Amino acid sequence: ETGVTQTPRHLVMGMTNKKSLKCEQHLGHNAMYWYKQSAKKPLELMFVYSLEERVENNSVPSRFSPECPNSSHLFLHLHTLQPEDSALYLCASSPTSGRHNEQFFGPGTRLTVL
Amino acid sequence: QQPVQSPQAVILREGEDAVINCSSSKALYSVHWYRQKHGEAPVFLMILLKGGEQKGHEKISASFNEKKQQSSLYLTASQLSYSGTYFCGTEWGNDYKLSFGAGTTVTVRA
Repeated sequence: ETGVTQTPRHLVMGMTNKKSLKCEQHLGHNAMYWYKQSAKKPLELMFVYSLEERVENNSVPSRFSPECPNSSHLFLHLHTLQPEDSALYLCASSPTSGRHNEQFFGPGTRLTVL
Repeated sequence: QQPVQSPQAVILREGEDAVINCSSSKALYSVHWYRQKHGEAPVFLMILLKGGEQKGHEKISASFNEKKQQSSLYLTASQLSYSGTYFCGTEWGNDYKLSFGAGTTVTVRA
């Protein structure tokens, strides 16, 4: 595997379910990100991890819970979601979380909340 | 604060040129450009830094007007492979995070 991978690619869940999204980067980067991409809206940054520490939590509801067990893996735990949470969730990584870093994106998980 | 991109969409024939603009009300440190094809991950194209340094793509060029806090992406002699949605991301303030525009959808037809 190369680059940034995400699983699953598609997920349908009910509002009472609990599920997790997984992201893995094979680039040796120290920073990882979760973004939400909704139709016709800008990419919304959700969380940033640098060297496994959360450095940004962009006013995201507590029903989204990130976890970064090591610099290569990032999870997004989901529980009691709302239909408006349906979107494409993108993971990205960069060499550091500092300025001027190119971000490498995964293909995303298409989430549908019923 | 998100930058504003224009136009929202553009349709081109192969070989035609287009310009995509990205404007911010904030003083910017850099502007990043990404392209996302349908069903795929966004891919980095280039970064333009305050002070004029530029890194990135060989066939697509861009400019950064620091006075106007505006960047323009130039698609010259467009190819079918240029189709996709182009996003600009801006760095400003003391945070290192990117704020992205809503995207410009480019369709290149034969």
